[in-house]
Amino acid sequence: DTGVSQDPRHKITKRGQNVTFRCDPISEHNRLYWYRQTLGQGPEFLTYFQNEAQLEKSRLLSDRFSAERPKGSFSTLEIQRTEQGDSAMYLCASSFRGSEQYFGPGTRLTVT
Amino acid sequence: AQSVTQLDSQVPVFEEAPVELRCNYSSSVSVYLFWYVQYPNQGLQLLLKYLSGSTLVKGINGFEAEFNKSQTSFHLRKPSVHISDTAEYFCAVSDRYNQGGKLIFGQGTELSVKP
Repeated sequence: DTGVSQDPRHKITKRGQNVTFRCDPISEHNRLYWYRQTLGQGPEFLTYFQNEAQLEKSRLLSDRFSAERPKGSFSTLEIQRTEQGDSAMYLCASSFRGSEQYFGPGTRLTVT
Repeated sequence: AQSVTQLDSQVPVFEEAPVELRCNYSSSVSVYLFWYVQYPNQGLQLLLKYLSGSTLVKGINGFEAEFNKSQTSFHLRKPSVHISDTAEYFCAVSDRYNQGGKLIFGQGTELSVKP
């Protein structure tokens, strides 16, 4: 299967800890997106990359959040000093030259 | 700024009945329109998209949607639903002039198909 993959699928952490998620896009896709989805809501945009360049960041992406895509392939999303309000599903998507976005299965974060 | 409103949070329907999931959007610029489906504990799958041309768009699994510019709507329809259509459905828009940019999603509609 050559779809978008995300790791881990589930993460439980204690408040105040740092967590890092990884997303591997479809291999030829140059754009990569991060979204956050809380229970009962639609996904909310966080940030996106074209190759290595981070082109847009949402106001939702506070100083505790950082995303990277160092070689234009996989991406990581780090949350520092997690808070209970960070509990959500974190979705990654990729696209080729602005075509439709293909989504991964998501990483479910629970902050206790 | 853009926003999407899905008018029904839950839609219960019996198997083989028709269904319509409603979506209205607000935008100061021209948009592309999408419908995605999400099964439990999975990511989103694209059902259909409107980019240009015919306002009636056909997608996968027998779904179709009609773009109505004057009413700023993009309602999703299926003439006969199956149990397997039970899922969460999301309407989304993106800025036509920033092709490949972010998607703005509605709150979702939970479709529940009963036997």
